[in-house]
Amino acid sequence: AQRVTQPEKLLSVFKGAPVELKCNYSYSGSPELFWYVQYSRQRLQLLLRHISRESIKGFTADLNKGETSFHLKKPFAQEEDSAMYYCALPSYGGSQGNLIFGKGTKLSVKP
Amino acid sequence: ETGVTQSPTHLIKTRGQQVTLRCSSQSGHNTVSWYQQALGQGPQFIFQYYREEENGRGNFPPRFSGLQFPNYSSELNVNALELDDSALYLCASSLRDKETQYFGPGTRLLVL
Repeated sequence: AQRVTQPEKLLSVFKGAPVELKCNYSYSGSPELFWYVQYSRQRLQLLLRHISRESIKGFTADLNKGETSFHLKKPFAQEEDSAMYYCALPSYGGSQGNLIFGKGTKLSVKP
Repeated sequence: ETGVTQSPTHLIKTRGQQVTLRCSSQSGHNTVSWYQQALGQGPQFIFQYYREEENGRGNFPPRFSGLQFPNYSSELNVNALELDDSALYLCASSLRDKETQYFGPGTRLLVL
C-alpha cells in the first residue's frame, strides 16, 4: 500500500540554521510528490510540488527514487517558516484527487 | 478569484446525530475532495466528487456520504455520529486534470 512517512513530529532550529524536513514514501513507480504547509491560523496550502522543480520561499525538495525520499530543505531558516509541514503523494490507481498525507512535522524556528 | 470556503467553522453534536458540512469550490474548479484530519494526524481522504458524481472513496463507512451540485459546491453528510468523528473536516477543490488541491479553512466538528 502507498504510504508517506514523516519521521519527525517536531523539528526545532535556530534562525539562520539549515533545516531539513524528512519525507519517505512507498510507491514502486515514478510518483509526483507535494509539500503542503499550514501556518498558524491559516489554511493548508501547497508549498511546492516535485514536478515543478521550483524553489518556493527558499525551500527546495529533491526526489530520490533510490531512497524513496522527498526531503524538504532550506539553507537558512527564518522565524516565519515556523509551521506544520505535510508531505503528500497521490494515490495512484485511485482518483487523482486522492492525496495520501504524512502525519506532518511541526517546524519551530527560534530567534 | 474566490478561494475555497467552508461552513460552518465549528460545530458541536452529540452521538447518534447527523451533520451536514458545506463547501464552495474555488472559481473554475469542478472537482471537490473531502478529508478528515484528526488531532495530530495528517488529512485522510474521505471521497471526491467530479461533475456531481462520486469519483473515488477512501476507507470510510457508508454513513459518510456526499453530494456535489451543478455549481460544483459540495456537501459532506455524516449519519449516526460517533465520538471518533470529532475532527477537522477539510474540503479541497481542483481542476480535473491537475492534482494541485486548494484547501478550505475546515470545519471543526466535536461529537459529545
